[in-house]
Amino acid sequence: NAGVTQTPKFQVLKTGQSMTLQCAQDMNHEYMSWYRQDPGMGLRLIHYSVGAGITDQGEVPNGYNVSRSTTEDFPLRLLSAAPSQTSVYFCASSYTQGGATEAFFGQGTRLTVV
Amino acid sequence: AQSVTQLGSHVSVSEGALVLLRCNYSSSVPPYLFWYVQYPNQGLQLLLKYTSAATLVKGINGFEAEFKKSETSFHLTKPSAHMSDAAEYFCAVSDTGGFKTIFGAGTRLFVKA
Repeated sequence: NAGVTQTPKFQVLKTGQSMTLQCAQDMNHEYMSWYRQDPGMGLRLIHYSVGAGITDQGEVPNGYNVSRSTTEDFPLRLLSAAPSQTSVYFCASSYTQGGATEAFFGQGTRLTVV
Repeated sequence: AQSVTQLGSHVSVSEGALVLLRCNYSSSVPPYLFWYVQYPNQGLQLLLKYTSAATLVKGINGFEAEFKKSETSFHLTKPSAHMSDAAEYFCAVSDTGGFKTIFGAGTRLFVKA
């Protein structure tokens, strides 16, 4: 059972380059989210989706785009990478059980922008 | 707006000692509260969650947390620390029926032999 799969695991970009971080889940969860993790700041929500075709912004959306064409996939696009986007990125999928949303996380993508 | 404050970015305990990780939350609606654990170079795993069914919540690996509405707290405890508990712990809050989970800054737990 794969759960949430993120690719790549590591990436180095030059300032101004674009790239897409991939995220796929095989649990048929409606909700998917992208977070970035920075030291001392916990996880901050970038974008989220409540279902195919529906996305919305989180706490720190600037510089990132998302789309959700299928239930399984939720890619995160960096349009023009900046050093401030150096971080570890986590994708999560969620379902509601008794009102509580339990999140399942991928292993993360460590991105360095030079 | 919801928020979570974790008191102490680092906590160090001896093996066998009590573990206490503090979390206070702010929410305008009855919250759903979570504790997650992150081991090095891995994603987050759910330890336990509060869903209003019971104020004392038991989780995996011997951890438990108590929801105290009057104190807006959801502290995580374990009676006896083990070396394998060394990790980073995150408290999180989500609104009613929500999926936008807000995380605290995290507390790194060190366990000394």
